[in-house]
Amino acid sequence: KQEVTQIPAALSVPEGENLVLNCSFTDSAIYNLQWFRQDPGKGLTSLLLIQSSQREQTSGRLNASLDKSSGRSTLYIAASQPGDSATYLCAVIIQGAQKLVFGQGTRLTINP
Amino acid sequence: DAGVIQSPRHEVTEMGQEVTLRCKPISGHNSLFWYRQTMMRGLELLIYFNNNVPIDDSGMPEDRFSAKMPNASFSTLKIQPSEPRDSAVYFCASSWWLAGGRETQYFGPGTRLLVL
Repeated sequence: KQEVTQIPAALSVPEGENLVLNCSFTDSAIYNLQWFRQDPGKGLTSLLLIQSSQREQTSGRLNASLDKSSGRSTLYIAASQPGDSATYLCAVIIQGAQKLVFGQGTRLTINP
Repeated sequence: DAGVIQSPRHEVTEMGQEVTLRCKPISGHNSLFWYRQTMMRGLELLIYFNNNVPIDDSGMPEDRFSAKMPNASFSTLKIQPSEPRDSAVYFCASSWWLAGGRETQYFGPGTRLLVL
């Protein structure tokens, strides 16, 4: 059974810092890995999607990497801003299915 | 595009009552997913449909839960009878599924359900 773990559960940093969020998964047979953002009381917004054949994806200040063999992904946020405060969720789609299996998320707070 | 539309946004009901949650996927998408989010268990997939056909309902907690997709633009998730432990946020998501998993899922705003 695929399990996704995110560390840390919560993170608080001052504005302007670069930071890394971690995600690990137990089964490397995945179609893709996605990072989502969730604001309080809102739905999920897809940030980055990495295909299983890819190593990384970039969007603006965000960079996500994927190491399938070790079952790990990181989300790098450069020059953090208070508007980046949200919960960040990592999810994988396992091969042969369309199911997204989510981690528990990292609650990020950027202090002005 | 209006995105995935869910209704109601909030629902408060009493134990034993029937609850119906509704979802309109993004036009042109061929897959629809129902998720539940709680503090204890996080986000869990309940059921998903491809081309209006249920593919995997292994996440449906018990027989009190049922889901239908009568056409490509509408789905319902019904709980009958509801119990306090069903209190959660229920999300609907849709995608255009291609072999190889290249497409992301787009989530609706969710329905916040409270069963008293």
